[in-house]
Amino acid sequence: EVQLLESGGGLVQPGGSLRLSCAASAFTFGAYAMTWVRQAPGKGLEWVSTVSGHGATTYYADSVKGRFTISRDNSQNTLYLQMNSLRADDTAVYYCASSRGISYFDYWGQGTQVTVSS
Amino acid sequence: DIVMTQSPDSLAVALGERATINCKSSQNILHSSNDKNYLAWYQQKGGQPPRPLIYWASTRESGVPDRFSGSGSGTDFTLTISSLQAEDVAIYYCHQYYTIPVTFGQGTRLEIK
Repeated sequence: EVQLLESGGGLVQPGGSLRLSCAASAFTFGAYAMTWVRQAPGKGLEWVSTVSGHGATTYYADSVKGRFTISRDNSQNTLYLQMNSLRADDTAVYYCASSRGISYFDYWGQGTQVTVSS
Repeated sequence: DIVMTQSPDSLAVALGERATINCKSSQNILHSSNDKNYLAWYQQKGGQPPRPLIYWASTRESGVPDRFSGSGSGTDFTLTISSLQAEDVAIYYCHQYYTIPVTFGQGTRLEIK
């Protein structure tokens, strides 16, 4: 059974940094594009960033461009999101999700909570 | 960016009755090269991640009950639950993956009447 397990969330002060991880198991990790989607409290889904299967191509939402960096280690079946200069409006549950290239998100992790507050 | 607008925002349907959720995209999401609509539907229950139900606008994900169906093309799409069950109470989202940034509808909350 495919599993995506996020970690690294927590409480951080405005301007601080966090690094999220998403460990994948039971599927051919390198064959999938990987994405971070977030959901603010009581709100809908917001796409954050996507990385291609080989890791060479990345995409970012305007709201995080220049502050967040997505990366992956295919040898470790792990996806990352380095988040710098965090703001209160970055507070959300962050999900990692997989897709077979330009496609829908077929597998989702359970999410990790990020709270930005002083 | 492509804006996805769902209607209604919330919906109450009696058990066993039909539920219909609409999704309209601000641009065409039918790709002429492969004749596919780049549209998916997800179900999200409280405290859980979204679950894919439908992709390519009308293809049911493995394991999804056949009471769920998707239809539409171009800019107008519909998710139909033919006979509402208690376990279908959730928020439903449409999602376009035609172009980056991919975008989601605002969600439709489905409840039992």
